[in-house]
Amino acid sequence: GAVVSQHPSRVICKSGTSVKIECRSLDFQATTMFWYRQFPKQSLMLMATSNEGSKATYEQGVEKDKFLINHASLTLSTLTVTSAHPEDSSFYICSAGVGSDTQYFGPGTRLTVL
Amino acid sequence: KQEVTQIPAALSVPEGENLVLNCSFTDSAIYNLQWFRQDPGKGLTSLLLIQSSQREQTSGRLNASLDKSSGRSTLYIAASQPGDSATYLCAVFDGTSYGKLTFGQGTILTVHP
Repeated sequence: GAVVSQHPSRVICKSGTSVKIECRSLDFQATTMFWYRQFPKQSLMLMATSNEGSKATYEQGVEKDKFLINHASLTLSTLTVTSAHPEDSSFYICSAGVGSDTQYFGPGTRLTVL
Repeated sequence: KQEVTQIPAALSVPEGENLVLNCSFTDSAIYNLQWFRQDPGKGLTSLLLIQSSQREQTSGRLNASLDKSSGRSTLYIAASQPGDSATYLCAVFDGTSYGKLTFGQGTILTVHP
C-alpha cells in the first residue's frame, strides 16, 4: 500500500513551452501533497505544499506564477512549469502526506528543457 | 531555520564492512527524523523513522540512532553489500501541521565487491 505515482517519468521540452507533471496517490487519500526539486548530487528542496481545494503554500524564493500547483482532489496534484527555460531542468519529486508526520514519495520526474 | 548536514558526502567501502553515516541538525525541536534511500534517477524509499522520544530504530542490517539534545543521528549499516550502494538522505520533521521535511544533502555510498 501507500503508493505514489508520477507522470511522466521523463520529459524533454523546448524552451518557452509549459510542462505538466502529475502526482497521484494510488491507494490512499492524501491530506497534503508536497513538491520537491532536486539538482544533481544535491538534496531535495521543498518548493510548495498543497492541500486539496486550497491554494498552495510556496517556499521562499519559489515563483508561484512559474510553478503552478493544482490540487484537484485528495489523490491528485499537478505541477505545471510555465514558460520553461533550461535552468528549470531538474528532477521533480512529489510526496503525499497522511496525517501530519508521514509522507510517501513518488518516483520523480526528470525534466530537461532544451 | 533548521539546517541538516550529512557527513561524509561520499563513502566507498569493500563488501562486508560495517559503516556509519552521520546526520546533524541545528534545531533540536524536532518531531521525528527519517532516513531514506535514493537510487540514481529514482524517488525516495523510507528506511527508518525515529520519533523524537525514541533513541533508536532497527530494521534488518540497519540501525538508526537519535540524540535529539545534541542534534545528531547515525545510520549504521552492518555487513554492507553491493546492493546497498545508493544515496542515503536524512530528513527532520519539525512537527508543524503540514509536515515540512528538511533534508540533508545526502551521503553517496558505494559498496564494491
